[in-house]
Amino acid sequence: DAKTTQPPSMDCAEGRAANLPCNHSTISGNEYVYWYRQIHSQGPQYIIHGLKNNETNEMASLIITEDRKSSTLILPHATLRDTAVYYCIALPHSGGYNKLIFGAGTRLAVHP
Amino acid sequence: NAGVTQTPKFQVLKTGQSMTLQCAQDMNHEYMSWYRQDPGMGLRLIHYSVGAGITDQGEVPNGYNVSRSTTEDFPLRLLSAAPSQTSVYFCASSYDTRQSGANVLTFGAGSRLTVL
Repeated sequence: DAKTTQPPSMDCAEGRAANLPCNHSTISGNEYVYWYRQIHSQGPQYIIHGLKNNETNEMASLIITEDRKSSTLILPHATLRDTAVYYCIALPHSGGYNKLIFGAGTRLAVHP
Repeated sequence: NAGVTQTPKFQVLKTGQSMTLQCAQDMNHEYMSWYRQDPGMGLRLIHYSVGAGITDQGEVPNGYNVSRSTTEDFPLRLLSAAPSQTSVYFCASSYDTRQSGANVLTFGAGSRLTVL
């Protein structure tokens, strides 16, 4: 599975968009980009995933560059409840079980 | 629909004691896994199972034992607890990607273990 690189921490003002970058320059053609987040002391929570097209759901938007070497998770109107560690993971859909390996993630602090 | 249920939520053990962390899911997920998270660190995969009767090792399996006799349950056993096993343990489950089309794990609330 491709290695991903994320900044260790970011800040965002409440109500503003939070843009969390992820670099995955060695991603292969069958690997999707997944985002999970972990709010303090809780189990991680799935946010969104995509292959090459931009994706949007009720939680966030995912923008993947055309060369697929990087992506950005966008929380359009961050709230204090979005303060969490955000994990970007590259994972194939090769069928069967694909082990989800978490890196250090980005610690997002949303402040008033 | 309770999702993934872990018990106990908190446990204190003495070095050398054994115990079992319980994990149950009611979503009929084929896949189940155990992670540990040390303070300030990311999650590390301990063991996983792709179905009843089938288990395999993850990144950090030493000191832990698992079995999967039913689809619903995936207990994690510490045979002889050590202070290095002080951690928060998370159980997770998911469908086969061939069925769901995505690697969406549902996590439990965690079990906080302290080994003295």
